[in-house]
Amino acid sequence: AQSVTQLGSHVSVSEGALVLLRCNYSSSVPPYLFWYVQYPNQGLQLLLKYTSAATLVKGINGFEAEFKKSETSFHLTKPSAHMSDAAEYFCAVSPKGGGQNFVFGPGTRLSVLP
Amino acid sequence: DAGVIQSPRHEVTEMGQEVTLRCKPISGHNSLFWYRQTMMRGLELLIYFNNNVPIDDSGMPEDRFSAKMPNASFSTLKIQPSEPRDSAVYFCASSLLRREHGEQFFGPGTRLTVL
Repeated sequence: AQSVTQLGSHVSVSEGALVLLRCNYSSSVPPYLFWYVQYPNQGLQLLLKYTSAATLVKGINGFEAEFKKSETSFHLTKPSAHMSDAAEYFCAVSPKGGGQNFVFGPGTRLSVLP
Repeated sequence: DAGVIQSPRHEVTEMGQEVTLRCKPISGHNSLFWYRQTMMRGLELLIYFNNNVPIDDSGMPEDRFSAKMPNASFSTLKIQPSEPRDSAVYFCASSLLRREHGEQFFGPGTRLTVL
């Protein structure tokens, strides 16, 4: 069975600092990987996705993630945090993609300090 | 294009009452998912449909929960009778059933409070 772990339920960074949110998955074959963001009182929005093309994936709002098969990781980064990045971030894995059950990680709450 | 539409956005009810949550997926999408989100348990998949057919309902917590998808543009999640521990935010998501990727698109959620 697939699983997703996100190290750190809460991460705090200063405005302008590097954002690094960690995601590791367990899967017998490389899955499709996704990062979603949830702003307060809203639904989840797709930030970016890895679908076996380029291993470095660029998403919206300046975020990017790198798929590393050897480390079974898909960490999310942003060079410079903005106050508006404060939200909950979820990593998700899917065996094939559409119409399949996603397995979501527990989420990481990002706080951005002024 | 309209995204996933959920109604109501907020629901407050008393224990024992029936609650019906509604979802309209994105037009053309043929997979639909119901999730529940709480502080304690995070995001949980309750059930999902492909082409209006329930594929996996193993996440439905009890027989008090039921979900239907009578057509490609409408789904309901019903709780009868409701209990205070059902209080949560319920999300509906839809996607396009195909071999390659196919991210899920989420609705704004229904915040349910059972008193």
